[in-house]
Amino acid sequence: QQQVKQSPQSLIVQKGGISIINCAYENTAFDYFPWYQQFPGKGPALLIAIRPDVSEKKEGRFTISFNKSAKQFSLHIMDSQPGDSATYFCAARVTGGGNKLTFGTGTQLKVEL
Amino acid sequence: GAVVSQHPSWVICKSGTSVKIECRSLDFQATTMFWYRQFPKQSLMLMATSNEGSKATYEQGVEKDKFLINHASLTLSTLTVTSAHPEDSSFYICSARTIFPGQQETQYFGPGTRLLVL
Repeated sequence: QQQVKQSPQSLIVQKGGISIINCAYENTAFDYFPWYQQFPGKGPALLIAIRPDVSEKKEGRFTISFNKSAKQFSLHIMDSQPGDSATYFCAARVTGGGNKLTFGTGTQLKVEL
Repeated sequence: GAVVSQHPSWVICKSGTSVKIECRSLDFQATTMFWYRQFPKQSLMLMATSNEGSKATYEQGVEKDKFLINHASLTLSTLTVTSAHPEDSSFYICSARTIFPGQQETQYFGPGTRLLVL
């Protein structure tokens, strides 16, 4: 059972544009939602994370929007750059529930010049 | 801070041999480490949760006798793939869980180990 659904599977954005990746979850007990960036042959790196008590969190060019009632959250990358080309994974976790992360299926982002 | 290393970064071995992968938290102590497996262009699949000084907890469908995990200290966990076969070829990634003062509990990932079994 896929508890965190991520879309799109791949995304091409022009340099300077906005990249938007969406995730939806089913388990209402999830209370921590991180986004990870992964370059080929490397481990994932934490980008930004949010808890459900806020609707938006911004760090530099990266923003998470969170909609608790719809059980959806999204990552927005403003002013996308070629160096942002990577695979992005959303994840969710139940604090105390073994602290295990449930990952989305990933989005391969390519930012073109 | 919050650096996790893995060794080796890649390994090629013959079918039937065993391979050990080390995961170290370099600048923090991790009571819990996680081991993941990732196939090309796919998501991370949790294999097991490793707690220092106790037996690992394996996810459903993961053979504990095949994937031996040892968490000997607060900074080191090892994954041994026993009697490796070509289908075990994959990208193995560990993560270490910690809480820094004033921050949320976070998992920091290692750079991964590419295993190719011939």
